Amino acid sequence: DAKTTQPPSMDCAEGRAANLPCNHSTISGNEYVYWYRQIHSQGPQYIIHGLKNNETNEMASLIITEDRKSSTLILPHATLRDTAVYYCIAHGSSNTGKLIFGQGTTLQVKP
Amino acid sequence: EAEVAQSPRYKITEKSQAVAFWCDPISGHATLYWYRQILGQGPELLVQFQDESVVDDSQLPKDRFSAERLKGVDSTLKIQPAELGDSAMYLCASRGGLAGGNTMKQFFGPGTRLTVL
Repeated sequence: DAKTTQPPSMDCAEGRAANLPCNHSTISGNEYVYWYRQIHSQGPQYIIHGLKNNETNEMASLIITEDRKSSTLILPHATLRDTAVYYCIAHGSSNTGKLIFGQGTTLQVKP
Repeated sequence: EAEVAQSPRYKITEKSQAVAFWCDPISGHATLYWYRQILGQGPELLVQFQDESVVDDSQLPKDRFSAERLKGVDSTLKIQPAELGDSAMYLCASRGGLAGGNTMKQFFGPGTRLTVL
């Protein structure tokens, strides 16, 4: 799976959009971009994933650049409960399914 | 929504003792993973099962760690003897479907926090 790079930490004001970037410049054509988050002392939680098109679900939106070398996770109206570590993972179909986590981005939502 | 169950949630043990963790995946999920997460780092895979068979245990310290999933449903991870460096969160996850990028969504349990004194 391709390596991903994320900023170690970010702050966001409550009610504002949180935009979390991820760089995956060596991603291959069959690798999806997955996002998980981990709230303190809990297991990781799946958020969203995509291949090349932008995706949206009830939790977030995922914007993938046309060259697929980077992506942005958007939480449209961040709440205090969105404070967590966010992991961006590039994950290919040839993989057995294991997730390779990096350090992630610690998002702090402030009132 | 169905959840992955783990027990115990917390475990404190002394060095050289044996410990065991239990995981019950979401019903029908054939793939089960055990991850270890050291404080401040992302989770790392220890072992992966497909039904009752081990698919990947390359990162499992086999001299002291063992894992089983006898009937292809719930699973047990054991450490014997525990060492100070084993203090970590042990996470279980499960996944339904076949291998393939669009079905890689994993569901994680709450984890077992192990402290070795």
